[in-house]
Amino acid sequence: SQTIHQWPATLVQPVGSPLSLECTVEGTSNPNLYWYRQAAGRGLQLLFYSVGIGQISSEVPQNLSASRPQDRQFILSSKKLLLSDSGFYLCAWTPIGTEDSPLHFGNGTRLTVT
Amino acid sequence: GENVEQHPSTLSVQEGDSAVIKCTYSDSASNYFPWYKQELGKGPQLIIDIRSNVGEKKDQRIAVTLNKTAKHFSLHITETQPEDSAVYFCAASISQSARQLTFGSGTQLTVLP
Repeated sequence: SQTIHQWPATLVQPVGSPLSLECTVEGTSNPNLYWYRQAAGRGLQLLFYSVGIGQISSEVPQNLSASRPQDRQFILSSKKLLLSDSGFYLCAWTPIGTEDSPLHFGNGTRLTVT
Repeated sequence: GENVEQHPSTLSVQEGDSAVIKCTYSDSASNYFPWYKQELGKGPQLIIDIRSNVGEKKDQRIAVTLNKTAKHFSLHITETQPEDSAVYFCAASISQSARQLTFGSGTQLTVLP
């Protein structure tokens, strides 16, 4: 069966520090991968999605970037964190070639920028 | 773009009672409406979805209704149990592509024993 892993589960970082959140998917090949942010009292906002290695699409302009160095690995990064980057970050996947498949989410990373 | 509003933001019910969460959407072209449940410390999980060619869908204690004319859809949970306590998100999309989903702001449901 397929599983998705995100780490770390929680992270406290000072303003101006770099960020690297990692997500990996097991049990499937060539998944579509997504990064979402969930701010308090707000819905899930799609930040990035990827349909293949090195293929990243950004949905909103921001202080973050994403990379997909391997087929089942998706990384969310920042060179210098802002206070407004605080939130709950979720990685998700859908099977390749099936745009209508439901999203499968990881358990998320709670990021607090101080 | 699509805008989805979800109400209420918090909801408390007694165990065994029913719970109803409502969402409205703005884009009349939207035709796919999923509901996700997020338990504490976990990612959201799809619990039910409905497409615009049907008005109601039921799965055991959970049902979703859709009114395309009024552009609103609702989640109904009957005979609530403590394990139903979670955050529920509605979403709307002009297709079933995950990339085009617009989520509501979520409802924290608490089922009181």
